[in-house]
Amino acid sequence: GAGVSQSPSNKVTEKGKDVELRCDPISGHTALYWYRQSLGQGLEFLIYFQGNSAPDKSGLPSDRFSAERTGGSVSTLTIQRTQQEDSAVYLCASSPGLVNEQFFGPGTRLTVL
Amino acid sequence: GNSVTQMEGPVTLSEEAFLTINCTYTATGYPSLFWYVQYPGEGLQLLLKATKADDKGSNKGFEATYRKETTSFHLEKGSVQVSDSAVYFCALTPYNNNDMRFGAGTRLTVKP
Repeated sequence: GAGVSQSPSNKVTEKGKDVELRCDPISGHTALYWYRQSLGQGLEFLIYFQGNSAPDKSGLPSDRFSAERTGGSVSTLTIQRTQQEDSAVYLCASSPGLVNEQFFGPGTRLTVL
Repeated sequence: GNSVTQMEGPVTLSEEAFLTINCTYTATGYPSLFWYVQYPGEGLQLLLKATKADDKGSNKGFEATYRKETTSFHLEKGSVQVSDSAVYFCALTPYNNNDMRFGAGTRLTVKP
């Protein structure tokens, strides 16, 4: 079956523009995660959706970042008024439920000029 | 809070050397523990996992044992290969939810 997919694979934008990153999780997976991986750095947790519960937004670095998950499936991460420090690879992962491994998408490489 | 600390890299080894990458965790209860690997140009993939104390996860010659008494989950391999060059991430999920937290990653380079 299909894995986690993300689009676009690469995004170059100008400082101050808004961007939307999309994640299609594996069908049936109830949990969905967004992470950020900056060059040479580890994974920075951003936000986590579990079923119909309120998302855990504790990792979002500023109010310019937001995410939603419509219908319990597709998720969109939005970054408003992008800054150069937002440049990173944004990873999405999904999981079938409690205490299970996460399946990662290929990531979206965001470059803010 | 829940967190993972792993040894800083980079680690450079010769082929067939023994590998240990240390990982310790802080968590309430009994978390599940994971090692993920990211090969050059690829996405993260699960390498191995252990869900309860004293469990040993193993895959591709790698092993890690869940040590509750030392809150550790060190990754080991007896004889590394050039193809093992990658970044390795230790991670945990708490016992009561799926909120996974990752370590900073350790870059391993194996030279022929």
